[in-house]
Amino acid sequence: AQTVTQSQPEMSVQEAETVTLSCTYDTSESDYYLFWYKQPPSRQMILVIRQEAYKQQNATENRFSVNFQKAAKSFSLKISDSQLGDAAMYFCAYSSGGGADGLTFGKGTHLIIQP
Amino acid sequence: SQTIHQWPATLVQPVGSPLSLECTVEGTSNPNLYWYRQAAGRGLQLLFYSVGIGQISSEVPQNLSASRPQDRQFILSSKKLLLSDSGFYLCAWQLAGGPQETQYFGPGTRLLVL
Repeated sequence: AQTVTQSQPEMSVQEAETVTLSCTYDTSESDYYLFWYKQPPSRQMILVIRQEAYKQQNATENRFSVNFQKAAKSFSLKISDSQLGDAAMYFCAYSSGGGADGLTFGKGTHLIIQP
Repeated sequence: SQTIHQWPATLVQPVGSPLSLECTVEGTSNPNLYWYRQAAGRGLQLLFYSVGIGQISSEVPQNLSASRPQDRQFILSSKKLLLSDSGFYLCAWQLAGGPQETQYFGPGTRLLVL
């Protein structure tokens, strides 16, 4: 079974600085998808960024980018120019793809933005 | 564009009472649908998923059940709630056969069983 591990229960960063959230996963598949979701206090899960494992190029969405290391099974999220609105729980998630299986989530990292 | 709705937003129920949570999706056809539960301070756990009307797959044995009576409607039920059923319930949809496997979530239902 696939597992997703987020080793940082909480991270803190100063506004306008850069922060990196870590995620590792375990799978025997060669093709899969990885995601970062944001859960603000409203608790709705919001997609931040996704990465297809067959793509070597790291995904980027505005201030959010990932460092995908397939051999190391590592998928970290970098947030540049942190803003107060970035404060939330961040969850890393895995999908084996090719079917209707659900996502496997890590336990989350609580990101605090210091003004 | 696609929209996903869940209701109720919040529910307080006594132990042993029945439960019915509803999820509906607009703007797409034949989506894959999912129910997740999030316990306090935890990640999401997949409970059920459905690839079509009447087709339900269960991931975790429990006293909950799911049904899909219509293409874009997904219902989570229980005949008798337990204290351990308290949590935050999220419904999600995914484009069937979509290449990117992305799931989009509804606003969730907070359930407190007393």
